[in-house]
Amino acid sequence: LAKTTQPISMDSYEGQEVNITCSHNNIATNDYITWYQQFPSQGPRFIIQGYKTKVTNEVASLFIPADRKSSTLSLPRVSLSDTAVYYCLVGAGMNTGFQKLVFGTGTRLLVSP
Amino acid sequence: GAVVSQHPSRVICKSGTSVKIECRSLDFQATTMFWYRQFPKQSLMLMATSNEGSKATYEQGVEKDKFLINHASLTLSTLTVTSAHPEDSSFYICSAQPGPNTGELFFGEGSRLTVL
Repeated sequence: LAKTTQPISMDSYEGQEVNITCSHNNIATNDYITWYQQFPSQGPRFIIQGYKTKVTNEVASLFIPADRKSSTLSLPRVSLSDTAVYYCLVGAGMNTGFQKLVFGTGTRLLVSP
Repeated sequence: GAVVSQHPSRVICKSGTSVKIECRSLDFQATTMFWYRQFPKQSLMLMATSNEGSKATYEQGVEKDKFLINHASLTLSTLTVTSAHPEDSSFYICSAQPGPNTGELFFGEGSRLTVL
């Protein structure tokens, strides 16, 4: 399973765009990149998943360069409620069976007024 | 999206007793579920993979006799912490995937175990 490296923590202010980058140098050909958000005393919540280039949904964008050795989660105009831990995971995605996901350290994002 | 529910959300027990935590997939069938534990300020640590109708697969360093996993139906997996001790106090989280051809994993709300 590919190991991921993320910054331990990040600080931002309300209304700013936040970009969290994750390194996954050993990503396999059939691995997808998935980001989860976790609030204290809650289970992780799916944010976004991608394989290459750019993926966008209603809450975030995911940028993946051609070599796929890193990815960047972009949160537009963060609010106080976006304060959470964000995890980047790589593993088998769609059409490849059940996936055993291993969590890295995650990035603790603190959004201030 | 799919819903995974855990029960109880919080449990306090005396040292030496056993505690059972349930993980249910409410609107889909899950032949495979995963159990994690999380200590304060730390990441989730995968404990085991629960397979419906067969034995669970445990990660290295996780005692299978200590953490009993039963996946008796397609919507229910249970984790029993046997002879619990204070060091077993942690946040336990389960996850499930609706099917082999979906990329999203759904997590339960977590269960906080405190052993006195």
